[in-house]
Amino acid sequence: ETGVTQTPRHLVMGMTNKKSLKCEQHLGHNAMYWYKQSAKKPLELMFVYSLEERVENNSVPSRFSPECPNSSHLFLHLHTLQPEDSALYLCASSQDKVGGPLETQYFGPGTRLLVL
Amino acid sequence: EDQVTQSPEALRLQEGESSSLNCSYTVSGLRGLFWYRQDPGKGPEFLFTLYSAGEEKEKERLKATLTKKESFLHITAPKPEDSATYLCAVQSNTGGFKTIFGAGTRLFVKA
Repeated sequence: ETGVTQTPRHLVMGMTNKKSLKCEQHLGHNAMYWYKQSAKKPLELMFVYSLEERVENNSVPSRFSPECPNSSHLFLHLHTLQPEDSALYLCASSQDKVGGPLETQYFGPGTRLLVL
Repeated sequence: EDQVTQSPEALRLQEGESSSLNCSYTVSGLRGLFWYRQDPGKGPEFLFTLYSAGEEKEKERLKATLTKKESFLHITAPKPEDSATYLCAVQSNTGGFKTIFGAGTRLFVKA
């Protein structure tokens, strides 16, 4: 595997379900990000981890819970979601720790989430 | 407040018809500006990083330029495979670790 991978690629869940999104980066990067992309809207930053420490929680509802067990893996745990949470969830990574030299972010293919 | 505005929202070109996409930004101290390409159902693919006004970068039929207020992505003699959404994003010196994205320009190139 190369670059940034995400699983599953597609997910359909009911509002009472609990599911998790997984992201893995194979680039040796130190920072990882979760973004939400809704139709015709800019990417919305959700969470940032730098050296496995959460450094940003961008006013995200508590029904989204991130986890970063090491610098290569990032999870997004989902529970009691709402239909308006349906979107493409993108994971990204960057080489340098947050706050270091300019951090070009490299994205995974995303997970298309549909909440019924 | 840092802001990125892309125009037009959508652009339809004939194959070979050159044009430009615009990214206007308001940021308190530009750290860098990024261009990405995104195909339907996929994640953004990194194209360019520009750091300072006057800088230019090229890749195949694409050329990105930067001024103090905006960036242009010039597409020379586009081909149908250039059809995608092009995203612009900025990082500021005071924004910490936030990258602010524009809503994108959807480009359609017809053969």
